[in-house]
Amino acid sequence: ETGVTQSPTHLIKTRGQQVTLRCSSQSGHNTVSWYQQALGQGPQFIFQYYREEENGRGNFPPRFSGLQFPNYSSELNVNALELDDSALYLCASSSKDVGEKLFFGSGTQLSVL
Amino acid sequence: LAKTTQPISMDSYEGQEVNITCSHNNIATNDYITWYQQFPSQGPRFIIQGYKTKVTNEVASLFIPADRKSSTLSLPRVSLSDTAVYYCLVIGGFKTIFGAGTRLFVKA
Repeated sequence: ETGVTQSPTHLIKTRGQQVTLRCSSQSGHNTVSWYQQALGQGPQFIFQYYREEENGRGNFPPRFSGLQFPNYSSELNVNALELDDSALYLCASSSKDVGEKLFFGSGTQLSVL
Repeated sequence: LAKTTQPISMDSYEGQEVNITCSHNNIATNDYITWYQQFPSQGPRFIIQGYKTKVTNEVASLFIPADRKSSTLSLPRVSLSDTAVYYCLVIGGFKTIFGAGTRLFVKA
């Protein structure tokens, strides 16, 4: 158990809809990173939040957006869903104060029909 | 960002030692080498991290030569439950990049 929890665990949406995924980070961690993992591939970095500010972004369009709250929990929002957005979405928490080890949640499996 | 290269897949038998080598020719001075394990439908799990020489913990050892352009993850006496994907990463900033990983299959 990493102490990182994600909700929901599974989600089915249709093209064009919007989705919000949630992540509670491990106690004491101030950084949250989001990843998209398609079947059979490694996780792809979406973005990272550090103390409520976006701290870096991968090669994802603006319809992927996020938030980090004062308690360091986080949301990933995806607008105008496309079929290719179907994937496992992973949240990882870490603390820049104690190195860059990432602690992952179990993910949200998103299916876009 | 340093790119990593590792074998796509490996097979082993229970009780054997497994060594997975990763190359990272463009590693920077401040980068750390980190390995993760992932089971299907789960998030990656941290295994071990090192900067140089050898690091050992309760589950694995990590060997890093002096030039740091490669690293080897060593899993002693693997069991069936070690069947998973293993990722080698070089971490030096906010953007942790995963490659395709090595699929290890442990047979009875």
